[in-house]
Amino acid sequence: NAGVTQTPKFRVLKTGQSMTLLCAQDMNHEYMYWYRQDPGMGLRLIHYSVGEGTTAKGEVPDGYNVSRLKKQNFLLGLESAAPSQTSVYFCASSYTTSGGTEQFFGPGTRLTVL
Amino acid sequence: AQRVTQPEKLLSVFKGAPVELKCNYSYSGSPELFWYVQYSRQRLQLLLRHISRESIKGFTADLNKGETSFHLKKPFAQEEDSAMYYCALESATNKLIFGTGTLLAVQP
Repeated sequence: NAGVTQTPKFRVLKTGQSMTLLCAQDMNHEYMYWYRQDPGMGLRLIHYSVGEGTTAKGEVPDGYNVSRLKKQNFLLGLESAAPSQTSVYFCASSYTTSGGTEQFFGPGTRLTVL
Repeated sequence: AQRVTQPEKLLSVFKGAPVELKCNYSYSGSPELFWYVQYSRQRLQLLLRHISRESIKGFTADLNKGETSFHLKKPFAQEEDSAMYYCALESATNKLIFGTGTLLAVQP
C-alpha cells in the first residue's frame, strides 16, 4: 500500500495563478483532510471531507476550494494564489474507530507564491 | 473554546537527559488526546494516544484532567528522538486540533 500520496511535491506560483493539489489514499478511508503547516502556527485545517461527494470548511478555508468526487481522491484548489498561501500543505485520511482517530498523513507539498 | 497549547517552540536537551514536552488543552467533555511526531524529511505520524496507555519508543504521556495537561515524557533522550512533536485534541468525530508544535533537539 502506498498510503497517502500527494502531487506535486513542490510548486512555485506567481500571484494570481491557479493550481490544484491532488491527494490520493488507497486505504479506503472515509475521512480526508487538507492542512497547512506554517512556522509557529502548527497544522491548521483548511477543508475536510467525511465521505465521497461531501466537503466542509475547516479553520482557515478562505482562498481554497476542494472536491471529493471519488472516495480515494481529495483535491485542493487555489483559484488565485496569494503570497500568504506560501506554506507546506499536508493531506491526511482517517477512519472511524472507538479508540480515537488516527490520521495518516501524506508527505506534503511545498508551495511558494511569489 | 477548544484549544491545544504547546508553550515551548524549542526544547534542547543532552543525550541521556530526561525530556518533558508540555501540552495543555481546553475542552469541555472527555478529551481524546494524541501526540504526533514528524522526523526530519518524513511525514507526520502518530506517536501515541492517551486511551492506549502505551509506551512508544520510550515515550509516555499521562492525561491529567485536573490540570488539563497531556505532557509527553521520556526518561533518557536519544539523538534519534530529535523531531517536531505535535499534541492534538480530537474536537469532533475524526477532527483534530493541533498545537503549534515543539521542536526537540537532542544534543550528543
